Amino acid sequence: GQQVMQIPQYQHVQEGEDFTTYCNSSTTLSNIQWYKQRPGGHPVFLIQLVKSGEVKKQKRLTFQFGEAKKNSSLHITATQTTDVGTYFCAGRDTGRRALTFGSGTRLQVQP
Amino acid sequence: DTAVSQTPKYLVTQMGNDKSIKCEQNLGHDTMYWYKQDSKKFLKIMFSYNNKELIINETVPNRFSPKSPDKAHLNLHINSLELGDSAVYFCASSQTGGVNEKLFFGSGTQLSVL
Repeated sequence: GQQVMQIPQYQHVQEGEDFTTYCNSSTTLSNIQWYKQRPGGHPVFLIQLVKSGEVKKQKRLTFQFGEAKKNSSLHITATQTTDVGTYFCAGRDTGRRALTFGSGTRLQVQP
Repeated sequence: DTAVSQTPKYLVTQMGNDKSIKCEQNLGHDTMYWYKQDSKKFLKIMFSYNNKELIINETVPNRFSPKSPDKAHLNLHINSLELGDSAVYFCASSQTGGVNEKLFFGSGTQLSVL
């Protein structure tokens, strides 16, 4: 079945440093979504990417979808303590209705 | 108003018991889901209903039975609870063909089986 892996599993940064998480799917995706889950909270939608090679920005967050539509990345510039949480990618492959979530990357930001 | 609400928030029970978790969404969405999040934070789809019809049923023990009385509600009943069922269960909803078809999650039910 479809598998979606993320690396790293965990990253601890100093406030102001950059952070990147990478997402890789075993199958070609029709689209990919990113979610953020704060500690003790529930996943909250951040963005969706659909086109091959697409890049989208939300303030300090930059999202990329790979040319082959099998990988994606999320880059945070100059992290802040409010960025703390677990970031999940979630892919939908063709013909499958449900999103398959990646394994998540937990980000800890030291003030 | 909470968009996707789950009850209870916490559920502590003994092995072998039967329990239910309820979920309601007031977003007018046509699709609802149950996801299980284990202690390592993996989020795994269990079931999905579209307009009260079961469309996704992953490899889940048949002790787990979802029920959708209408498209705004999706409940999860678990029979003969086992230690390994301890996890956070999230209900979610989305609208087919909606903007991004993004998922809206409930706040989760933390199930602890003793």
